[in-house]
Amino acid sequence: GESVGLHLPTLSVQEGDNSIINCAYSNSASDYFIWYKQESGKGPQFIIDIRSNMDKRQGQRVTVLLNKTVKHLSLQIAATQPGDSAVYFCAESYNDMRFGAGTRLTVKP
Amino acid sequence: EAQVTQNPRYLITVTGKKLTVTCSQNMNHEYMSWYRQDPGLGLRQIYYSMNVEVTDKGDVPEGYKVSRKEKRNFPLILESPSPNQTSLYFCASSSSGTRTGEQFFGPGTRLTVL
Repeated sequence: GESVGLHLPTLSVQEGDNSIINCAYSNSASDYFIWYKQESGKGPQFIIDIRSNMDKRQGQRVTVLLNKTVKHLSLQIAATQPGDSAVYFCAESYNDMRFGAGTRLTVKP
Repeated sequence: EAQVTQNPRYLITVTGKKLTVTCSQNMNHEYMSWYRQDPGLGLRQIYYSMNVEVTDKGDVPEGYKVSRKEKRNFPLILESPSPNQTSLYFCASSSSGTRTGEQFFGPGTRLTVL
């Protein structure tokens, strides 16, 4: 099968800084992408999604960027807070949804 | 409160002892899925259901069974658990399917098979 999400395993940022979490996908036919946040001991929670006909989508303090040319997805978190500490993973979808392993974000006070 | 619940949250069992993990959602969602999460790997779908009495295999169905007799419940059954089924299991529900749209996940069930 194809791999999803060549994530860096960990990312550490200072509180108040912006965070950028990257994700590479391998299926150029994927037309839907989604980001989830998973806090310790909890199930994944939806953050934001984007369809392939868009390059950028913004939510509350989060922005997802899609670069189809290089098959790259990123999640930007503005003014990172301690409550943002979690594992973040992307998923891509074509015939079905494929999840990446995730990046652990640690926010330092 | 809209939620997906799973029970038990933690389970230690022995090889071959049948077990059931329950999953229930109160959002009237048609779609429900079971996933397993293993270190270094993304979520992998075990089984999914598009509606009552309609279930289908996901990517890793071997060793698992499911049933969907009611819309709100989607239990996962391990008839004869083996150590390679030690994992963290998540149930999820959705109104839009499993290919697009938000899925609502339960809190997870950590299973250890000795």
